[in-house]
Amino acid sequence: DAKTTQPNSMESNEEEPVHLPCNHSTISGTDYIHWYRQLPSQGPEYVIHGLTSNVNNRMASLAIAEDRKSSTLILHRATLRDAAVYYCILRPANTGNQFYFGTGTSLTVIP
Amino acid sequence: DGGITQSPKYLFRKEGQNVTLSCEQNLNHDAMYWYRQDPGQGLRLIYYSQIVNDFQKGDIAEGYSVSREKKESFPLTVTSAQKNPTAFYLCASMASGTRGFSGANVLTFGAGSRLTVL
Repeated sequence: DAKTTQPNSMESNEEEPVHLPCNHSTISGTDYIHWYRQLPSQGPEYVIHGLTSNVNNRMASLAIAEDRKSSTLILHRATLRDAAVYYCILRPANTGNQFYFGTGTSLTVIP
Repeated sequence: DGGITQSPKYLFRKEGQNVTLSCEQNLNHDAMYWYRQDPGQGLRLIYYSQIVNDFQKGDIAEGYSVSREKKESFPLTVTSAQKNPTAFYLCASMASGTRGFSGANVLTFGAGSRLTVL
C-alpha cells in the first residue's frame, strides 16, 4: 500500500487559511493524490485530487510539490464546519480499486 | 438526489448472532466497498466488488461475508466468527471511467452504520 505521512492534529483560527501537509516520498509517477475529509460520526467526503499540477475547486486547493513527494491541502478561509479529520491518500492509476486511509489530520477550528 | 444509503444507522447485536448491514446506491456506480473504522483509527478495507456477482477480500475480511447480486446493492454480513465486531461500518461506491477504473476515480461514502455487540 502506498504510504502517506500527515500530522496527527492541527489547529486554525476561524476565517484564516489552513495548510494541511502530506508527505508521500515513495509516490510513483502514476499515483494520484486524493484528499478526503470526515466530519464526526459521518462518512468521509471527497475534497480534491490531482496528479502533477495544482488543482482548485470550490472546497479547497491542492498544491503539489514539483518532485511530487509532498502536497498541501489549502482551505482558504477556515470555518467551524471545516473541523474534521483530513485524509491524504495515494491512489495508484493501474490497480483501480484500492484506497488506503491512514489516521489523517484532525483539524480543530478555533472561533 | 443520488447517493448511498446505509441501514440501519445503529445496530445492537448479541454475541453469537449474525447481522447484515445494508448498502444501496442509486449512482449507477460499478464498484462498491465496505470499510471498518475503529475509534481514533483510519478506515480498513473489508471487501470490495467491481462488478455484479464478483467481489474480493480486503485487508480484514475474516468474519465477514458479502454478496453482489445487483449493481445497486452490496450487503455486508458480520458473522459470529468476527471476534471484535463493534465498530463503525462504512459503505462506498465508485464509478468507472470509459477506460475502466483509474487513479482519478473518487469514492462516494454512505453515512455509516454503527454496530455494537452487547
